[in-house]
Amino acid sequence: DAGVIQSPRHEVTEMGQEVTLRCKPISGHNSLFWYRQTMMRGLELLIYFNNNVPIDDSGMPEDRFSAKMPNASFSTLKIQPSEPRDSAVYFCASSFGGSNIQYFGAGTRLSVL
Amino acid sequence: GQQVMQIPQYQHVQEGEDFTTYCNSSTTLSNIQWYKQRPGGHPVFLIQLVKSGEVKKQKRLTFQFGEAKKNSSLHITATQTTDVGTYFCAGNFGNEKLTFGTGTRLTIIP
Repeated sequence: DAGVIQSPRHEVTEMGQEVTLRCKPISGHNSLFWYRQTMMRGLELLIYFNNNVPIDDSGMPEDRFSAKMPNASFSTLKIQPSEPRDSAVYFCASSFGGSNIQYFGAGTRLSVL
Repeated sequence: GQQVMQIPQYQHVQEGEDFTTYCNSSTTLSNIQWYKQRPGGHPVFLIQLVKSGEVKKQKRLTFQFGEAKKNSSLHITATQTTDVGTYFCAGNFGNEKLTFGTGTRLTIIP
């Protein structure tokens, strides 16, 4: 089992640029979660999908952030335009059915200069 | 809103000492989970507690769920250097999502 796969692992970009983070959940899992982790704010849930449908996006900071899940095996988190305060580690996690147990990817470390 | 508070934020212990982290919710939980994140790593699921008053053990780790299902604790007996990391509780309030606590960062002094 390959686990949750995220890419890229590291991203360095300049303020104002568009950033796209990618996630492949574990095959068969039907819920997908995007988190942001910083020292100041800890682990924050940004958005989650169930069966490819966004269920709760109340954690998305602002309109600069958007997320899509076009199919069961792929999701993206896009930041446009990026700002230095977006610098953080972004995790994707997936879970199956009603178990609620979440399996995290290795994360994308984003630095916006 | 539904919040999960966790204390302490940091804990430094001598190797061989015990360690405990506590988690509290303002409202009743459906279940609670515990995760461990090694430095530079990602959160990894440890255990899930569902029943009121439940106690589960994993080797040197003991997990408890309060009678009112509003609090939980993780206790590590005789810490080892491999226990280093941040321990998160995560509360579930009856849907797919988890509300993570702020985490307790454990460092071990050899």
